Amino acid sequence: GQNIDQPTEMTATEGAIVQINCTYQTSGFNGLFWYQQHAGEAPTFLSYNVLDGLEEKGRFSSFLSRSKGYSYLLLKELQMKDSASYLCAVLDSNYQLIWGAGTKLIIKP
Amino acid sequence: TAGITQAPTSQILAAGRSMTLRCTQDMRHNAMYWYRQDLGLGLRLIHYSNTAGTTGKGEVPDGYSVSRANTDDFPLTLASAVPSQTSVYFCASSDLSGVHGYTFGSGTRLTVV
Repeated sequence: GQNIDQPTEMTATEGAIVQINCTYQTSGFNGLFWYQQHAGEAPTFLSYNVLDGLEEKGRFSSFLSRSKGYSYLLLKELQMKDSASYLCAVLDSNYQLIWGAGTKLIIKP
Repeated sequence: TAGITQAPTSQILAAGRSMTLRCTQDMRHNAMYWYRQDLGLGLRLIHYSNTAGTTGKGEVPDGYSVSRANTDDFPLTLASAVPSQTSVYFCASSDLSGVHGYTFGSGTRLTVV
């Protein structure tokens, strides 16, 4: 079967760095996405990785290792507005997104 | 602003009644999707459509039906609502490959009582 695992909840301090991990087992791989979802709102696109390595975009970076079935989202200089759920999703061989359950990130002052 | 419009924003529905959740996109995306999101379970695919005139079943299709008469509209119908269908429903769209990600509507919060 297809499976995506990520921690249910994480807590971090304002100004610090946090890494949210995602491991996956899917039928085929056409890329991995990270989405941000604030409470009561729709998910919004953060990043897309299809090749191994690190993609940096401002305070957010996303890493992929296809051989390990592993990705992480790195958030630097945390701000209170980063409190949200972060969803990992893999585009499978049928070009459909398989979603993880999401990681709720709590930022404390 | 281009995007996806969902209606209604929220609804309280009596069990046994029918309801249609509306979804319209103006990005000319071929693919459209309906998800439900429940606490701790993440996004679960109900139905999808890769192009106008075709639809497919997702992970949790029972109790729901969809139609895709044209590119822009993808309504979701609950024929006879049950309390377990209480959830937040998101419509999304993408190009056929999906490699540019999915764009989501703002969601419909449905409570079946």
